Amino acid sequence: DAGITQSPRHKVTETGTPVTLRCHQTENHRYMYWYRQDPGHGLRLIHYSYGVKDTDKGEVSDGYSVSRSKTEDFLLTLESATSSQTSVYFCAINTAPGVDTQYFGPGTRLTVL
Amino acid sequence: AQSVTQLDSQVPVFEEAPVELRCNYSSSVSVYLFWYVQYPNQGLQLLLKYLSGSTLVKGINGFEAEFNKSQTSFHLRKPSVHISDTAEYFCAVSILTGNQFYFGTGTSLTVIP
Repeated sequence: DAGITQSPRHKVTETGTPVTLRCHQTENHRYMYWYRQDPGHGLRLIHYSYGVKDTDKGEVSDGYSVSRSKTEDFLLTLESATSSQTSVYFCAINTAPGVDTQYFGPGTRLTVL
Repeated sequence: AQSVTQLDSQVPVFEEAPVELRCNYSSSVSVYLFWYVQYPNQGLQLLLKYLSGSTLVKGINGFEAEFNKSQTSFHLRKPSVHISDTAEYFCAVSILTGNQFYFGTGTSLTVIP
């Protein structure tokens, strides 16, 4: 299994509070991604990174920010959580998007009350 | 832009029966195609992928898929399903010059004893 961990694995928070999710990899892969998974929507890309300090927006980036100061860590921040951000969040990594497999972390279940 | 359509959101099938999960894609350039499986409360795992060459691709757990360029399809098949195949299945595409993967909304396969 690819060395990807996500923390926390479960979190319950209140509307308006800041939340940071962490993705950590031990594979030294260049590309890292944050997705959210919701019923009926599949996986939707929030943000991705193609190197240290290099990030770009995905399909559903509003309300989210990311940072990557080290190759191994990719942080997802909800500056002010809303109930619509209740979801399961997955981190993924790969070496090259076109021809390489994405490897997924175990997911973080976030509930915003 | 690329997009993926999984035509069936839920597929019930009896144990030992064959199954086909359908995936169609849209793209103006050549694509790479993937099928992932997600077991309950887990991240996604690669089942198989098509990059080039033979259009019939074999994957893990007895699954196979056929790339049909003229019909822009990449349907997943298994000749005889087992209870343990009950899971969510996602089709995904990427392109060589892109940084992203595009996922379908998923098909929930339920194998009935």
